[in-house]
Amino acid sequence: GAVVSQHPSWVICKSGTSVKIECRSLDFQATTMFWYRQFPKQSLMLMATSNEGSKATYEQGVEKDKFLINHASLTLSTLTVTSAHPEDSSFYICSAMGTVRDTEAFFGQGTRLTVV
Amino acid sequence: QQQVKQSPQSLIVQKGGISIINCAYENTAFDYFPWYQQFPGKGPALLIAIRPDVSEKKEGRFTISFNKSAKQFSLHIMDSQPGDSATYFCAATQETSGSRLTFGEGTQLTVNP
Repeated sequence: GAVVSQHPSWVICKSGTSVKIECRSLDFQATTMFWYRQFPKQSLMLMATSNEGSKATYEQGVEKDKFLINHASLTLSTLTVTSAHPEDSSFYICSAMGTVRDTEAFFGQGTRLTVV
Repeated sequence: QQQVKQSPQSLIVQKGGISIINCAYENTAFDYFPWYQQFPGKGPALLIAIRPDVSEKKEGRFTISFNKSAKQFSLHIMDSQPGDSATYFCAATQETSGSRLTFGEGTQLTVNP
C-alpha cells in the first residue's frame, strides 16, 4: 500500500515558538494533502486542504496565519504552527491522495504536539 | 453541522463475538464511504470502503452493510479479537468535491479476551 510518512512523531516546544511538521508521500505523488487536528477521544477535524503548487484552503475557524501550510512538491507538505500556545497542543495528522487510487486517502502516523 | 453520525460511542465485546458499529449520513451527494481503524497514538488506517451501488461488501472478518434509502451504513466485525480493540471511524465523501472526508464521531471498541 501507499505510505505517508509524518515527522516528527512527537514534539515539545516552548510557548511562543514555531513548530514545523512534515508530511511526505513516499511512493506516490500526492496531488492533494489534508491536515487534521484530533483532540483526545474525539474525531478528526479537518483544518485545511492543499493542492500542490497552490494556496491551501482552510476550514472555517482555522487561522491561516497561525497554521501555515506549504505544499511545494508532489511528495511534501508542511504544517507550521506559529507562535504556539498551550491550547495548540494536540495530535496533528496529515493525509495524502493522488496517483495511487483516486479516492483513497492515506494517513500519516500523526504528530503529538505539546506546547509548554 | 455534523453530517455523519456514528454510534455507539463505545462498545465492549467478548472475544469471538460480533462487533457492530452504525453510521448515518445526511448528504445524499456522498458517494464513497470508508471505515478507518485507529490505534492510540497512530494515524487512521483504511479498513474497508463501499460505494452506494452495492449493499454489502466483505473483506475477511469485516463487512460493510449499506442502506441507501435509509442513508445508513454499518461495520460488522465477525469473530472479534482483542487485537481489534481500537477506535473506528466511519467517513463519507463526495468524490467530485475533491474527496474531503467527513468523519463520524468514532467508536472505541474493546474486545475482551
